[in-house]
Amino acid sequence: AQTVTQSQPEMSVQEAETVTLSCTYDTSESDYYLFWYKQPPSRQMILVIRQEAYKQQNATENRFSVNFQKAAKSFSLKISDSQLGDAAMYFCAYRSAGNYGGSQGNLIFGKGTKLSVKP
Amino acid sequence: DSGVTQTPKHLITATGQRVTLRCSPRSGDLSVYWYQQSLDQGLQFLIQYYNGEERAKGNILERFSAQQFPDLHSELNLSSLELGDSALYFCASSLRTAYNSPLHFGNGTRLTVT
Repeated sequence: AQTVTQSQPEMSVQEAETVTLSCTYDTSESDYYLFWYKQPPSRQMILVIRQEAYKQQNATENRFSVNFQKAAKSFSLKISDSQLGDAAMYFCAYRSAGNYGGSQGNLIFGKGTKLSVKP
Repeated sequence: DSGVTQTPKHLITATGQRVTLRCSPRSGDLSVYWYQQSLDQGLQFLIQYYNGEERAKGNILERFSAQQFPDLHSELNLSSLELGDSALYFCASSLRTAYNSPLHFGNGTRLTVT
């Protein structure tokens, strides 16, 4: 079964600085999707960025970028020029390309990293 | 706004009771997923429907059941509630079940069992 591990329960960053959140995953599949979701205090789950496993180029969305290391099964999120509104829980998630053990299409989440932004 | 609507936003009930959570997917989305978020277990996949049919089951208790109706809205029924069922329940929808069809989440229903 696939697993997702976020080893940093909490992180803190100074406003305007850069922070990197770590995520590792375990899978025997070769084709899959990886995601970072943000959950602010409003509790809504907001998609931040996604990466297809077969794409070598790292995904970028404005101030958010990933470092995808397929061989190492690592998928870290870098937030540049951190803003107060970036304070939230961040979840790394894995999605299989196939239907393994009834997991068709659903997301497997890590435990999350709580990010604080200091003014 | 994700376009996924969940009602109610908050629900407080007593142990042993039964509740129904409702989800309306984004317009055009055929697939609905239910997730449970608790402090100790994190986000857990419960069940998935596609165009009215059950497609996948996760860590869903036998006391819980769900269905997706012809108009594609979905309901999650929780019965014989226990204190440990207190959690945030999310619904998500996607156009298809393919892995490259992104999931869009609702704002969740906060269930408190007293």
